[in-house]
Amino acid sequence: DGGITQSPKYLFRKEGQNVTLSCEQNLNHDAMYWYRQDPGQGLRLIYYSQIVNDFQKGDIAEGYSVSREKKESFPLTVTSAQKNPTAFYLCASSISRAGEKLFFGSGTQLSVL
Amino acid sequence: GESVGLHLPTLSVQEGDNSIINCAYSNSASDYFIWYKQESGKGPQFIIDIRSNMDKRQGQRVTVLLNKTVKHLSLQIAATQPGDSAVYFCAEKPRYNQGGKLIFGQGTELSVKP
Repeated sequence: DGGITQSPKYLFRKEGQNVTLSCEQNLNHDAMYWYRQDPGQGLRLIYYSQIVNDFQKGDIAEGYSVSREKKESFPLTVTSAQKNPTAFYLCASSISRAGEKLFFGSGTQLSVL
Repeated sequence: GESVGLHLPTLSVQEGDNSIINCAYSNSASDYFIWYKQESGKGPQFIIDIRSNMDKRQGQRVTVLLNKTVKHLSLQIAATQPGDSAVYFCAEKPRYNQGGKLIFGQGTELSVKP
């Protein structure tokens, strides 16, 4: 089945620790995105990538980093500089670089110990 | 500034009734709109989308209406079922947004009573 796979489903971070969230897609989509969702709020864009080896900051990129070495993969690292990392993280992809009709993964819930 | 908002944060309907979820947008430069359904603990699922050159688009049991005059978007769900209970998000894409930066609204929680 084609789709977007995020792992792990749940992740815990200790103070001062960097953690990496995985996102893999086998849809052959060019564009990939990371969103953050806080309870009762909409989605906010962290980073996006329209093509391999290129990515741009979204609206809330501070404290996060990404890489796009392969078309299928777009991992997100939540660094220790992100002081409020507890949130639901969603990865998405789109066949169009215009970013319409995003397909989302099932999300990763990150919590701080 | 730009914003996409919903008139009602919660909506409760009886099973079998029609549901209407509303969304106001402020950016007249937006040329693409999309609705997503999100169940608890899951990622958003695409429902339906519409471009600004259309006023109405229908899918299976769903209809999206776009009123550009008053910058209003609505999602109509016919014969609402318990499985429709979820949070519904609208999103817009301003024409000038490179890379497809969708702007999401806060969401409306739909609760279907049996």
